Amino acid sequence: DSGVTQTPKHLITATGQRVTLRCSPRSGDLSVYWYQQSLDQGLQFLIQYYNGEERAKGNILERFSAQQFPDLHSELNLSSLELGDSALYFCASSPGQGARGANVLTFGAGSRLTVL
Amino acid sequence: DQQVKQNSPSLSVQEGRISILNCDYTNSMFDYFLWYKKYPAEGPTFLISISSIKDKNEDGRFTVFLNKSAKHLSLHIVPSQPGDSAVYFCAAREETSGSRLTFGEGTQLTVNP
Repeated sequence: DSGVTQTPKHLITATGQRVTLRCSPRSGDLSVYWYQQSLDQGLQFLIQYYNGEERAKGNILERFSAQQFPDLHSELNLSSLELGDSALYFCASSPGQGARGANVLTFGAGSRLTVL
Repeated sequence: DQQVKQNSPSLSVQEGRISILNCDYTNSMFDYFLWYKKYPAEGPTFLISISSIKDKNEDGRFTVFLNKSAKHLSLHIVPSQPGDSAVYFCAAREETSGSRLTFGEGTQLTVNP
């Protein structure tokens, strides 16, 4: 158990629908990152939050949005889903920048999204 | 623009032999490199890292080598064990990007008994 909790583990939905993926970071970690892994691809960075504020954006579609709440958990919202959005979505967390161990991300087990 | 590339999708070795996984990068601003291991149905787990000011870092059976002039790093596993069979991801951090990591595509390592 990495300490990063992601729910749901599996999700099957239809095109055009909207889903929300949830992540609870490891205790004490202030930064949350979302990554997408499509079939046979590496992990693509989507977005980062630090202590409730958006810190960096990567290849995140406009149909996707995220937020980090005061209790530091984060949600990734995916809307108007398309077949190509089927992927593994990973959440990772790290301590605040400059903190010990800040360079290492700790990953959750992922949420597998299947869009039919 | 793939800034971190792992050109070998798969590698198969015999138990007890050396496994060498390779990774190339293009961004000269990367200052910290990591290797992650991923088993099926699990998230990636941190394995070993190296700062750009070093050329080698060793942790037990795992050694990472960095060749900055060639923009190349490699992970050596000696001796390889069947439990090492997993997907290995190379990742890099840019100095100005905080802790955000850029990942390669991964290499599936299979260690045969």
